[in-house]
Amino acid sequence: AQTVTQSQPEMSVQEAETVTLSCTYDTSESDYYLFWYKQPPSRQMILVIRQEAYKQQNATENRFSVNFQKAAKSFSLKISDSQLGDAAMYFCAFLEPQGGSEKLVFGKGTKLTVNP
Amino acid sequence: DAMVIQNPRYQVTQFGKPVTLSCSQTLNHNVMYWYQQKSSQAPKLLFHYYDKDFNNEADTPDNFQSRRPNTSFCFLDIRSPGLGDAAMYLCATSPGQGAYNEQFFGPGTRLTVL
Repeated sequence: AQTVTQSQPEMSVQEAETVTLSCTYDTSESDYYLFWYKQPPSRQMILVIRQEAYKQQNATENRFSVNFQKAAKSFSLKISDSQLGDAAMYFCAFLEPQGGSEKLVFGKGTKLTVNP
Repeated sequence: DAMVIQNPRYQVTQFGKPVTLSCSQTLNHNVMYWYQQKSSQAPKLLFHYYDKDFNNEADTPDNFQSRRPNTSFCFLDIRSPGLGDAAMYLCATSPGQGAYNEQFFGPGTRLTVL
């Protein structure tokens, strides 16, 4: 079974600085997807960024980028120029394609605090 | 805007009193999921529907049931809520086909059991 590990229960960053959230996973599959989801205090889960395992290029979405190391099974999220609105729980998630009925496997999450 | 809607946002029930949570979507997605999320924990998948096909997780208690009468709606029924069932319940959808496998989440229903 796939597992996702987020080793940092909590992180903090100063506004405008950069922070990196760690995620490792375990799978024997070669084709899969990885996601970072953000869950602000209002609790709606929002997709931040996704990475297809077959793509070597790291995904980037504005201030958010990932460092995907397939061999090491590592998928870290870098947030640049942190803003107060970035404060949230961040969940790393793994998904193995299964013909449409896929299941997300979540890590336990990292609570990010942004200090003004 | 296309979206996933959950009603009610907050639900209070009594120990043992059946309760139904509702999810609707305007995305026309084939797959609908129900997750349970307890405080400071990751969401835990309870079950999901691919179209009309129901897929239960092995460790989901029998106390939890689901119905999907049509593409747009999916319900979570808790037959006899216990104190341990107090949680946030998240509904999510995904297209179920093609290469784009993102799950879209609703805002959740927070269930309190008295």
